[in-house]
Amino acid sequence: QVQLQESGPGLVKPSETLSLTCSVSGGSVSNYFWSWVRQPPGKGLEWIGFIYYTGSTNYNPSLKSRVTMSVDTSKNQFSLRLASVTAADTALYHCARRHYSSSWHDYWGQGTLVTVSS
Amino acid sequence: DIQMTQSPSSLSASVGDRVTITCRASQGISTWLAWYQQKPEKAPKSLIYDASSLQSGVPSRFSGSGSGTDFTLTISSLQPEDFATYYCQQYHSYPLTFGGGTKVEIK
Repeated sequence: QVQLQESGPGLVKPSETLSLTCSVSGGSVSNYFWSWVRQPPGKGLEWIGFIYYTGSTNYNPSLKSRVTMSVDTSKNQFSLRLASVTAADTALYHCARRHYSSSWHDYWGQGTLVTVSS
Repeated sequence: DIQMTQSPSSLSASVGDRVTITCRASQGISTWLAWYQQKPEKAPKSLIYDASSLQSGVPSRFSGSGSGTDFTLTISSLQPEDFATYYCQQYHSYPLTFGGGTKVEIK
């Protein structure tokens, strides 16, 4: 059973960079795309983007200028960096695995809450 | 971007009820649609993909239908463990987008 676990600071100051890591167990990051999805408090889900195990990426245009994703196959992890954060970036951040054949998500992490506040 | 609109945003139902949730896309997406279940403090769980295919391990009381712009998720006989929030997601084109969610509560 594939399991995903997000980790990172729960509090980030405005204008700084949010950094999160997703650790994958029960499976390999190889041969899959890996997504980040966020959920502001009381709101719906927003896809941030995904990264292939080779490092190629596809970002949501609404966040593209601020997002960087990376993958570390040796650690079986992938990461998200979101620059110049504001209060609007406060959200529960989930990592998820894109299904091998098409862009729905078959496994998700439970999410980590990141609050942007001074 | 393709906008996904779910209705209702919430509903109250009793154990044993038949429940139907609707998802409408702002443009045709063929059958490139998935449904997820989310409970508080838990990881979202995939239920349905390709509009009507049941994900492995998901009970058969869940079913999905539709194509083009209109889709439904049906729970044939609501069970206590089904009280949760449900989301649809289109994967016809990027960026991937989700519906606003439907919260299923106990009546």
